[in-house]
Amino acid sequence: EAQVTQNPRYLITVTGKKLTVTCSQNMNHEYMSWYRQDPGLGLRQIYYSMNVEVTDKGDVPEGYKVSRKEKRNFPLILESPSPNQTSLYFCASSLYSMGGGKQETQYFGPGTRLLVL
Amino acid sequence: GQNIDQPTEMTATEGAIVQINCTYQTSGFNGLFWYQQHAGEAPTFLSYNVLDGLEEKGRFSSFLSRSKGYSYLLLKELQMKDSASYLCAVNYSNDYKLSFGAGTTVTVRA
Repeated sequence: EAQVTQNPRYLITVTGKKLTVTCSQNMNHEYMSWYRQDPGLGLRQIYYSMNVEVTDKGDVPEGYKVSRKEKRNFPLILESPSPNQTSLYFCASSLYSMGGGKQETQYFGPGTRLLVL
Repeated sequence: GQNIDQPTEMTATEGAIVQINCTYQTSGFNGLFWYQQHAGEAPTFLSYNVLDGLEEKGRFSSFLSRSKGYSYLLLKELQMKDSASYLCAVNYSNDYKLSFGAGTTVTVRA
């Protein structure tokens, strides 16, 4: 089944304790992206990757890191989590990058709910 | 910024029609998406508009006017399962991402 998976789905942690949220897609998509979703603010992009070893900042990258060593995986790393990073996180992928008027539908993972105490 | 605006909440009765409006900044517009998101779940793709006019897909239709920076999503013959948040998202030129509005929560009542 074509899908985007994320792990863990739920996580409670404490300030400063490094964590990684994994994201994997099995559709051979080039483009992958991380979003956070907060009430009243909608989905905001954290980082995106247009292909292996190509990553760039989105709108809210502060406090996050990513890597894209393989096409299928795009982990999100919080080196020193803080309470303001408590949020619902979504990973998404599409066959190619956005842009150029192409319909590049993004497929979203199930979400990771993170609470930083 | 891209200032994508949509109403926060709408309520309608089962079987009725609801229209969700979305306005956006027109400069550099490259395409507009509508996604549906049920509470606690991932967004799922509903429609894509890049040219002016109406795109119909069953009970759901989406309209675009590029000159006005305006789109709407029309939900017909509402069902209880249509209770969800509807997200308007825009891609801009030279931008490799989608910019999302805050979403419109639609509640369908019996």
